[in-house]
Amino acid sequence: RKEVEQDPGPFNVPEGATVAFNCTYSNSASQSFFWYRQDCRKEPKLLMSVYSSGNEDGRFTAQLNRASQYISLLIRDSKLSDSATYLCVVNSDGGSQGNLIFGKGTKLSVKP
Amino acid sequence: NAGVTQTPKFQVLKTGQSMTLQCAQDMNHNSMYWYRQDPGMGLRLIYYSASEGTTDKGEVPNGYNVSRLNKREFSLRLESAAPSQTSVYFCASSEAAGDRNEKLFFGSGTQLSVL
Repeated sequence: RKEVEQDPGPFNVPEGATVAFNCTYSNSASQSFFWYRQDCRKEPKLLMSVYSSGNEDGRFTAQLNRASQYISLLIRDSKLSDSATYLCVVNSDGGSQGNLIFGKGTKLSVKP
Repeated sequence: NAGVTQTPKFQVLKTGQSMTLQCAQDMNHNSMYWYRQDPGMGLRLIYYSASEGTTDKGEVPNGYNVSRLNKREFSLRLESAAPSQTSVYFCASSEAAGDRNEKLFFGSGTQLSVL
């Protein structure tokens, strides 16, 4: 099954660039959405939740498009430290337990 | 603040051997999870425990058993390891499974190789 799909990349961008990732999901009943960040050989860590109205946290902006069933993550003014894999996570049914679906991730490499 | 602690960090087994991965969290979370991560695959849920005293199968439970020992601890057991179980295993916890805003906190992972 391909419930959550991401472009695996890699996205190779220079420092200071703006980069955007999309993630599509198949279940129109999905209720909540997240972006996690995973550094090489490390555990995933929550980057930000994605709200219906869109939300921003510093250089990071997340948006949700329910009609087209995708979420996006925009990173402005990329830093070397942003290099990581970004995981899209969808809770397919807010009423079900243990139903978080992870995408395979999009790899970002920021170069000097 | 330790968060989620899992042991061991690395393990090599021979086919047919058994082992238990340990996980503990100190955030007073109700829900705990075991995931595996393979190259080219997203994290896949093996088992979860929505609350102390309950466990449920996830997407890939075959070959594994779990025990929710108490609110803090959730262990994963491989009774007879197979090469297909070579993977990176992550334990995670959250305040409450099923919460719309459920956020996971992960342990640092166990790299398991089965020869």
